[in-house]
Amino acid sequence: AQKITQTQPGMFVQEKEAVTLDCTYDTSDPSYGLFWYKQPSSGEMIFLIYQGSYDQQNATEGRYSLNFQKARKSANLVISASQLGDSAMYFCAMREGGLRSGGGADGLTFGKGTHLIIQP
Amino acid sequence: EAGVAQSPRYKIIEKRQSVAFWCNPISGHATLYWYQQILGQGPKLLIQFQNNGVVDDSQLPKDRFSAERLKGVDSTLKIQPAKLEDSAVYLCASSLSPGHEQYFGPGTRLTVT
Repeated sequence: AQKITQTQPGMFVQEKEAVTLDCTYDTSDPSYGLFWYKQPSSGEMIFLIYQGSYDQQNATEGRYSLNFQKARKSANLVISASQLGDSAMYFCAMREGGLRSGGGADGLTFGKGTHLIIQP
Repeated sequence: EAGVAQSPRYKIIEKRQSVAFWCNPISGHATLYWYQQILGQGPKLLIQFQNNGVVDDSQLPKDRFSAERLKGVDSTLKIQPAKLEDSAVYLCASSLSPGHEQYFGPGTRLTVT
């Protein structure tokens, strides 16, 4: 079974509108972290936002917020007031295990991504 | 602060040839990762280093792929011999230590013909 599922291969959104990118995940580990990355056409993965499984509040970073619904295993990314520069691939990723202290394997498992295109 | 550096940015080789990629992580970052991103998919972890030791190489095809980080700083990923299905972008990432945010380099795009 896939651990990260992104069901929207592509999305077209008008500039200045808000956009929600869907992500569901599957894990039996009670401690995990969820990430969103942006990958423009240049290819570099840019970290956007992080949500820990024990965090009480939804994460926010500027125009980005993460709608974390633990019971539904959902971690949707919300971009407010979209801009033309937001056009890119967006990947949801998960890291399993509590790893803030000590060493350990913490490679990310990524979804297949959503191609977001912002139209003027 | 300089980001993660990778070279070369592009490489084209024929199948059965060998190829090597180089990565220099952010200064002070003890943890280094290599990911493979096939076109249309998300990155997949190949190997994780903590300093010069391997933490996780469970998804590394060890019959043809090898990686090293001898001095605990920069790293080399090698493929020998390459197959057509190895065509992908190879991304290097680093973090301060396990559990911290991973910062990615620009990647090396490999085409195997």
